[in-house]
Amino acid sequence: GAGVSQSPSNKVTEKGKDVELRCDPISGHTALYWYRQRLGQGLEFLIYFQGNSAPDKSGLPSDRFSAERTGESVSTLTIQRTQQEDSAVYLCASSPTRAWETQYFGPGTRLLVL
Amino acid sequence: DQQVKQNSPSLSVQEGRISILNCDYTNSMFDYFLWYKKYPAEGPTFLISISSIKDKNEDGRFTVFLNKSAKHLSLHIVPSQPGDSAVYFCAAVNQAGTALIFGKGTTLSVSS
Repeated sequence: GAGVSQSPSNKVTEKGKDVELRCDPISGHTALYWYRQRLGQGLEFLIYFQGNSAPDKSGLPSDRFSAERTGESVSTLTIQRTQQEDSAVYLCASSPTRAWETQYFGPGTRLLVL
Repeated sequence: DQQVKQNSPSLSVQEGRISILNCDYTNSMFDYFLWYKKYPAEGPTFLISISSIKDKNEDGRFTVFLNKSAKHLSLHIVPSQPGDSAVYFCAAVNQAGTALIFGKGTTLSVSS
């Protein structure tokens, strides 16, 4: 079956531009997470969606970052006025429950801000 | 400050031998830990987990050991195989139970 997909796989943008990253979770997965991994670092939690509940935005690093998800479908992560320090791999994961073991990751979007 | 630390960025092991990957954490309130494996250009995949009520969990060639007093866990792979070559991430569930806190990863290379 289809796994978690993310698009684009790579994105190069200029400092100051806005970018939008997309995540298609596994069908039926109610939970969706966004993480980022900067070079040489571990994965950092950004935001968590669970069904129609209010998202947990506690990991978003600044107000330039926002994410949306409609129901249990696609999610988009938007970064406004990108900065060079936003360069990272942005990973999305989904799971059918809150159980951490069932969290499946997508391949990531590699973002480079010049 | 890193709350989950993997101090060895890389490890090289010969096929058939044991691989031991280490992880330390700073918050004694963490009570659930997971190991993930990541191949290039792919997302991490779950490998094995352990709850703080246990000190060992085994799944085939993979065993995770937890030493709560030392705030240390380790992943043992026996015997190591070339297909095990990947980046291994240690993660802890945060105190609120809302997110995973990852270490920086250890790149394991298993040579045949």
